Amino acid sequence: SQTIHQWPATLVQPVGSPLSLECTVEGTSNPNLYWYRQAAGRGLQLLFYSVGIGQISSEVPQNLSASRPQDRQFILSSKKLLLSDSGFYLCAWSGPLSEQYFGPGTRLTVT
Amino acid sequence: AQSVTQPDIHITVSEGASLELRCNYSYGATPYLFWYVQSPGQGLQLLLKYFSGDTLVQGIKGFEAEFKRSQSSFNLRKPSVHWSDAAEYFCAVGGDTGGFKTIFGAGTRLFVKA
Repeated sequence: SQTIHQWPATLVQPVGSPLSLECTVEGTSNPNLYWYRQAAGRGLQLLFYSVGIGQISSEVPQNLSASRPQDRQFILSSKKLLLSDSGFYLCAWSGPLSEQYFGPGTRLTVT
Repeated sequence: AQSVTQPDIHITVSEGASLELRCNYSYGATPYLFWYVQSPGQGLQLLLKYFSGDTLVQGIKGFEAEFKRSQSSFNLRKPSVHWSDAAEYFCAVGGDTGGFKTIFGAGTRLFVKA
């Protein structure tokens, strides 16, 4: 069966510091991968999606970037965090009907 | 434009009472429809999905949803709510014309009172 991992689970970072969040999927090959952000009490905002290694589509202009160095690895990065980057970050992969399977999420607090 | 509307920001029901969460969508082709549930501090879990066939679909945890094309709706129901059902529920639409993206509604927060 497929599983999806995210780490770290929680992160507190100062403004201006770099960021790296990692997501890995097991049990499936060549998945479509997604990064979402969820602000407190808000819905999901799609940040990036990827249909293959090195293929990244950005949905929202911001100071975040994503990379997919391996088939089942998806990384979210920033060179300099802003206060507005605080939120709950979710990674997901999609099945054949575009149904999405989510990881446990990373709670990021920028101070 | 593709969109999903969940008219109710939050709903409160008594434990043991029935539940219906509303969802309306706008989509240019045959939609694939989904309901997800999110407990506080956790990721989203797929409750059920519809892509064709029987318009009444069964999901996990005793939930069901009915696709009504004429009303562009996909409402989620449960005959008897348990306290553990308190969570945020998201309706979503995807499909061929959506490319690789799924459009999520803003969510409905369910409160269950004893």
